[in-house]
Amino acid sequence: KAGVTQTPRYLIKTRGQQVTLSCSPISGHRSVSWYQQTPGQGLQFLFEYFSETQRNKGNFPGRFSGRQFSNSRSEMNVSTLELGDSALYLCASSLDQPARNEQFFGPGTRLTVL
Amino acid sequence: AQSVTQPDIHITVSEGASLELRCNYSYGATPYLFWYVQSPGQGLQLLLKYFSGDTLVQGIKGFEAEFKRSQSSFNLRKPSVHWSDAAEYFCAVGARGGSYIPTFGRGTSLIVHP
Repeated sequence: KAGVTQTPRYLIKTRGQQVTLSCSPISGHRSVSWYQQTPGQGLQFLFEYFSETQRNKGNFPGRFSGRQFSNSRSEMNVSTLELGDSALYLCASSLDQPARNEQFFGPGTRLTVL
Repeated sequence: AQSVTQPDIHITVSEGASLELRCNYSYGATPYLFWYVQSPGQGLQLLLKYFSGDTLVQGIKGFEAEFKRSQSSFNLRKPSVHWSDAAEYFCAVGARGGSYIPTFGRGTSLIVHP
């Protein structure tokens, strides 16, 4: 079956702009998690959605938001971009709770903020 | 809350040599344990996981890991490394109660010399 897909793969934005990233999970997976990956901080959890509800949230400012649709596809939005938001954003899907199930990761969206 | 430490940021081995990547965790009980691998430009892929039972776990690509409760460790091993194993390796810990979100280590970068 198809893996996790993320679009776009690369984005270049300028400070102050906003951006929306998209994630399509594996068919049948209801949990979608988002992570920010940077060389300095490693993999940091942003939030997790399950059945269209945000079930868990990491320690990120309110500029970072997300949603999940009825078909489990998810989007994350970052408003008022800052230079420090430059990172690889990874989406992962799982059948249920990510701590107890294998997560399947997409290839990521590389965001560069100038 | 759980935490995980990967003491080695980089490890360099020669092709054909054996490999051991270290992972230590902190958690009040036996957690769920995972090893993921990330090849350049790609998302993370699960190598193996430990939930319960036999403490020696076999994974994909010839990897294995051993859970040692007394040492709070879950080290990853491979008897003979191939050049294609060069990648970033992440250990992750999931709680059996409470948080649904796994905690990832900072990763170990594996360099393979021919």
